[in-house]
Amino acid sequence: DQQVKQNSPSLSVQEGRISILNCDYTNSMFDYFLWYKKYPAEGPTFLISISSIKDKNEDGRFTVFLNKSAKHLSLHIVPSQPGDSAVYFCAASASGANSKLTFGKGITLSVRP
Amino acid sequence: KAGVTQTPRYLIKTRGQQVTLSCSPISGHRSVSWYQQTPGQGLQFLFEYFSETQRNKGNFPGRFSGRQFSNSRSEMNVSTLELGDSALYLCASSLQGAKNIQYFGAGTRLSVL
Repeated sequence: DQQVKQNSPSLSVQEGRISILNCDYTNSMFDYFLWYKKYPAEGPTFLISISSIKDKNEDGRFTVFLNKSAKHLSLHIVPSQPGDSAVYFCAASASGANSKLTFGKGITLSVRP
Repeated sequence: KAGVTQTPRYLIKTRGQQVTLSCSPISGHRSVSWYQQTPGQGLQFLFEYFSETQRNKGNFPGRFSGRQFSNSRSEMNVSTLELGDSALYLCASSLQGAKNIQYFGAGTRLSVL
């Protein structure tokens, strides 16, 4: 069962506009969420994270919003740049020393110049 | 500080063979996790090692195994290779585990013919 879902496989945005990438989860035990970016032929790189005690975390052009009641989080990129074109993965984990990261299938973002 | 190093980067094997992949984590990181990425799929969790002990395991058959050495370096082994094992295998290291940011290597691309 897919506990972390990224239902839109791709997103195309004009340079300078906002990119909104969505992620839904089903496991109510998840309390830590991360976004990773992946370029072809490279490993995923960490972008931003958020704990369940917060509903927003911001880092430069990247902001993650968490709606616990809806079990939904989103990544906003403003303004979008061509270099942001990559696959974005949402990941989640639950408390506990033995917890693992559960990833979504990823969203391919294309930023058009 | 050197990043996560995975060797080899590319590997071609035939069905029935076995393969060993290697991962050197970031210095000081004690947790190493392995993931499988196939086209259209997210990162599927294989297992996590912490201080030479397997701490968590995903839903993969027993043909997939791993180990961690006292210097935190880790190896992953796949025996009796099948065509469906063709994938990108990613290793990630972190200080303690899922509640810490995981840093990924560039991966090993395995092709099974």
